[in-house]
Amino acid sequence: GAVVSQHPSWVICKSGTSVKIECRSLDFQATTMFWYRQFPKQSLMLMATSNEGSKATYEQGVEKDKFLINHASLTLSTLTVTSAHPEDSSFYICSARPPDPTYNSPLHFGNGTRLTVT
Amino acid sequence: DAKTTQPPSMDCAEGRAANLPCNHSTISGNEYVYWYRQIHSQGPQYIIHGLKNNETNEMASLIITEDRKSSTLILPHATLRDTAVYYCIVRVSISGNTPLVFGKGTRLSVIA
Repeated sequence: GAVVSQHPSWVICKSGTSVKIECRSLDFQATTMFWYRQFPKQSLMLMATSNEGSKATYEQGVEKDKFLINHASLTLSTLTVTSAHPEDSSFYICSARPPDPTYNSPLHFGNGTRLTVT
Repeated sequence: DAKTTQPPSMDCAEGRAANLPCNHSTISGNEYVYWYRQIHSQGPQYIIHGLKNNETNEMASLIITEDRKSSTLILPHATLRDTAVYYCIVRVSISGNTPLVFGKGTRLSVIA
């Protein structure tokens, strides 16, 4: 089945530094990937849509200059949290859907990246 | 996308069937019902989806009422590893490669 892989699974960084999270579709090509964020005891919230070869689109309230998204290939999207602060500590999850002309196939999710900013 | 309503939590005895309800009374004709679950500190896992017919796979069964206003996810023999938050999501597929919008889900606790 379709596999989406994220790396790293957890990261601890100091306030003010930047952190890059990778999301790969291992057995299919994904022109679009979605990035979510999840705070403790809350549901997943969509942050942005990553589009291969073009700019990402961000949800309202998500700072595009803080959360840099690059989708340079059909199997890799990266999310860079720039100048991280403790309030950016969260669980970041990416997802992608295998090619399907009906767009009916399910979205598959990575196992998430736990970011802790100290 | 239409909204869904799920009970916040449920308990189920190990080995028994877990029946998780979902109300989607405003669902439109071209919206599919998707079920995912999230085990603690992991990404969501796809379980099953359907449009109007009942569906079954190796993980679960999905029963959709005839009027499509509600559905039930059935885990036939729940185990401790099925303890998770279960999300019922409705989505229009023909709208393109769109994301899923997650609600609060149902926290299922399987008890030994």
